[in-house]
Amino acid sequence: GENVEQHPSTLSVQEGDSAVIKCTYSDSASNYFPWYKQELGKGPQLIIDIRSNVGEKKDQRIAVTLNKTAKHFSLHITETQPEDSAVYFCAASKGTYKYIFGTGTRLKVLA
Amino acid sequence: NAGVTQTPKFQVLKTGQSMTLQCAQDMNHEYMSWYRQDPGMGLRLIHYSVGAGITDQGEVPNGYNVSRSTTEDFPLRLLSAAPSQTSVYFCASSYMVGSYEQYFGPGTRLTVT
Repeated sequence: GENVEQHPSTLSVQEGDSAVIKCTYSDSASNYFPWYKQELGKGPQLIIDIRSNVGEKKDQRIAVTLNKTAKHFSLHITETQPEDSAVYFCAASKGTYKYIFGTGTRLKVLA
Repeated sequence: NAGVTQTPKFQVLKTGQSMTLQCAQDMNHEYMSWYRQDPGMGLRLIHYSVGAGITDQGEVPNGYNVSRSTTEDFPLRLLSAAPSQTSVYFCASSYMVGSYEQYFGPGTRLTVT
């Protein structure tokens, strides 16, 4: 069936270092790939997304890359700060009602 | 603009009890959905709606009921609570079904004993 694998499940980085989270999807018809950040006790919030006609997208310290051939996409956070500590989810959609979410990555930024 | 609101924030039920989780949005979004979040399993879709009067099942619909009488509201009913329904529930909305940003509510933490 359709699924999205996300790695790693936990990630600890020193403040100022970069963090990379990777996701692999199974359905080649997927065309929309959002990333959500979930802080403790809150709902997920979209931080960046990418569509299948684009290979890379950047927003300040956050970037997402997409490799359609390999069916994987990655979130890159540069110059990490303590407020980046949260759980990050990737997802994939093929333009229907269905979003398949990854299992989440808990990022800890150590001061 | 309050976005997506959910009530209650916390709830404890006994097995067999029923209850309704409330969800409302003030963004005039057509698409609304309910997810449950369990440790190590990400978010799983329970039910969704593409407009008032239209609802359909997601991947884990058993034990839950929904209705959509207005654009704004999308309540989730637990018919006869079971311990397996202990979870955190999130309501989400987006402009339309498809490749659009979903806005999530703050969640309801439900415990069934």
